[in-house]
Amino acid sequence: DAGVIQSPRHEVTEMGQEVTLRCKPISGHNSLFWYRQTMMRGLELLIYFNNNVPIDDSGMPEDRFSAKMPNASFSTLKIQPSEPRDSAVYFCASSGTVAFFGQGTRLTVV
Amino acid sequence: AQSVTQPDIHITVSEGASLELRCNYSYGATPYLFWYVQSPGQGLQLLLKYFSGDTLVQGIKGFEAEFKRSQSSFNLRKPSVHWSDAAEYFCAVGPMEYGNKLVFGAGTILRVKS
Repeated sequence: DAGVIQSPRHEVTEMGQEVTLRCKPISGHNSLFWYRQTMMRGLELLIYFNNNVPIDDSGMPEDRFSAKMPNASFSTLKIQPSEPRDSAVYFCASSGTVAFFGQGTRLTVV
Repeated sequence: AQSVTQPDIHITVSEGASLELRCNYSYGATPYLFWYVQSPGQGLQLLLKYFSGDTLVQGIKGFEAEFKRSQSSFNLRKPSVHWSDAAEYFCAVGPMEYGNKLVFGAGTILRVKS
C-alpha cells in the first residue's frame, strides 16, 4: 500500500479564496482524521470519521471549515473563504488500530 | 479530559549518548500509547505503540518505551543516539475504540551534536 496520500503537498492562495485539501486513506482503514499543525498550537485534531461518518467535528475552528468523506477511499477538507491565519500544515491520517499519517499539505494564505 | 504532557521542548544530546524523552498522560482508563517521530517537512511516522501486555515495548530504529501505570508515564529511550535521530518526537494517547482518536503532546525537538 502506498500509505495515506494527500494532495496537494503545497498550496498558496489568496485570502478569500476557497481551498480544498484531499486525502486518500489506506485501504481497509475505517477511521480517518484531519489534523492541523502550527508552531503556536501544535497538532490539533479537526475532525474524524468512522466508516465514512463524521464522529467528532468539535475541533473544526469555524464554519469556514468543512470536511466530507463520500466514500471509504476519499476525503476532503475545505476552507471557504480562506484567511491568513489558516496557514498551517494539514495532515490526514487513517487508522485501523494504529494511525498512519500522510505527508501533509502546507497551506499558505496570503 | 485526556491530555499528554511532554515536559521537554528541546533536548540536545551528543551522538552516541543515551536518550530519554519523557511523556506523562492523563486518561480515565487504560489508553493506547504511541510515540511518533517527525522529520522536517515530513509527516508523522510511528515509532512504537503500547496496547497491553509487556510494559517494555520495542520499536523501530532502536527505540523502546516503558509504560508505567503508577506514574502515568510512557518514556521513550534509546541507548545510543545517531545524528539521523534529530527530529521532533510526539507522544500520543488514544482510546481503545474508534480507531484511536489520538491526543498528542506538544512534542520534543531532539538535537544531536557530533
